[in-house]
Amino acid sequence: GAGVSQSPSNKVTEKGKDVELRCDPISGHTALYWYRQSLGQGLEFLIYFQGNSAPDKSGLPSDRFSAERTGGSVSTLTIQRTQQEDSAVYLCASSLLTGSSYNEQFFGPGTRLTVL
Amino acid sequence: AQRVTQPEKLLSVFKGAPVELKCNYSYSGSPELFWYVQYSRQRLQLLLRHISRESIKGFTADLNKGETSFHLKKPFAQEEDSAMYYCAPSDTGRRALTFGSGTRLQVQP
Repeated sequence: GAGVSQSPSNKVTEKGKDVELRCDPISGHTALYWYRQSLGQGLEFLIYFQGNSAPDKSGLPSDRFSAERTGGSVSTLTIQRTQQEDSAVYLCASSLLTGSSYNEQFFGPGTRLTVL
Repeated sequence: AQRVTQPEKLLSVFKGAPVELKCNYSYSGSPELFWYVQYSRQRLQLLLRHISRESIKGFTADLNKGETSFHLKKPFAQEEDSAMYYCAPSDTGRRALTFGSGTRLQVQP
């Protein structure tokens, strides 16, 4: 079946504009994660959704960042008033959480965001 | 705070040589530990996880709780092993991954 998909694959925007990044997880996966891969910063966790529980937003770097997950499936990451330091590759991952401790995350191809 | 250290940014070896990619972690509780790999122009993907004690593509990783290390090893490197490797403990609560900075492995012919 299809893996995790993300759109757009590339986004160039001007400083101060808002952007929306989309993630379609694997069907049936209850957990969804957003990560950011910045040059020199490595991969960092942003936010985590699990079923109908309140999301874990502890990784969001500022209140300009927000995310939602509608119907337990598609997720949108929104960055308001973008800054140049927001330039990065934004990765989405999903997993099928069960009672076991095994937790493979399946990653999407990422959205490369460039803020001019 | 949780922290993962991969001390080598780049590791270059010749084909057939042994490889060890180092990973040390500082974590509260008992994390699950994973190695993820990203080959050129491919997605980040799981390589192996410590709970299954498996060997994938000839790679193994032993968890040393005393040293808080989870080094990745392969006795004979192949050119197709060239990739970016990330050590990643997972918080057992939220299960989000904390990635190390990654090590780029270059296997030369």
